[in-house]
Amino acid sequence: AQSVTQLDSQVPVFEEAPVELRCNYSSSVSVYLFWYVQYPNQGLQLLLKYLSGSTLVESINGFEAEFNKSQTSFHLRKPSVHISDTAEYFCAVSGPQGGKLIFGQGTELSVKP
Amino acid sequence: EAGVVQSPRYKIIEKKQPVAFWCNPISGHNTLYWYRQNLGQGPELLIRYENEEAVDDSQLPKDRFSAERLKGVDSTLKIQPAELGDSAVYLCASSYASENNEQFFGPGTRLTVL
Repeated sequence: AQSVTQLDSQVPVFEEAPVELRCNYSSSVSVYLFWYVQYPNQGLQLLLKYLSGSTLVESINGFEAEFNKSQTSFHLRKPSVHISDTAEYFCAVSGPQGGKLIFGQGTELSVKP
Repeated sequence: EAGVVQSPRYKIIEKKQPVAFWCNPISGHNTLYWYRQNLGQGPELLIRYENEEAVDDSQLPKDRFSAERLKGVDSTLKIQPAELGDSAVYLCASSYASENNEQFFGPGTRLTVL
């Protein structure tokens, strides 16, 4: 069985500051890893994903995440956040054959001016 | 390219009433998912379709929930009768295939059961 733990339910941060949203997973098989973002009253949008290859993956809006197999982590980082990054962020995992996503409970990122 | 479409966006009903949600996936996507998202939690899979076939419905409460995906395109999720604990956001997602698992989500239907 697979599970995901997001270690912080809320992360308040000031604009232009760096941020890290932590995600740990548990699985007995190799996994695919994802970060989704959910803005208020909207569906989830894929932010970035790790399937294989380079352990550092990047999104088009400045976020990056690093797959660390030994620590079973997939933390999300951004060196300088904007007000518009305020949203709920979900880490998710699936098995190598795909299928259902197992989500963490989410981290609410609140960027203050 | 149009995204995943869901309707209605909001639904308020009294307990014991029936309710149905509709989903139109992205054109060409053969895999369709229904998730339920309770307040303050991440989504949880209810059912997954590969074309017309339900290949994973292990988390679907079959005593009151049912789903169908006629012709392998649109899908309907039904609850009958609804209970107070069914209040949640119901999300539909689709993907080309389940292998790489990049799922595209609709905006969801927020159900409130009074």
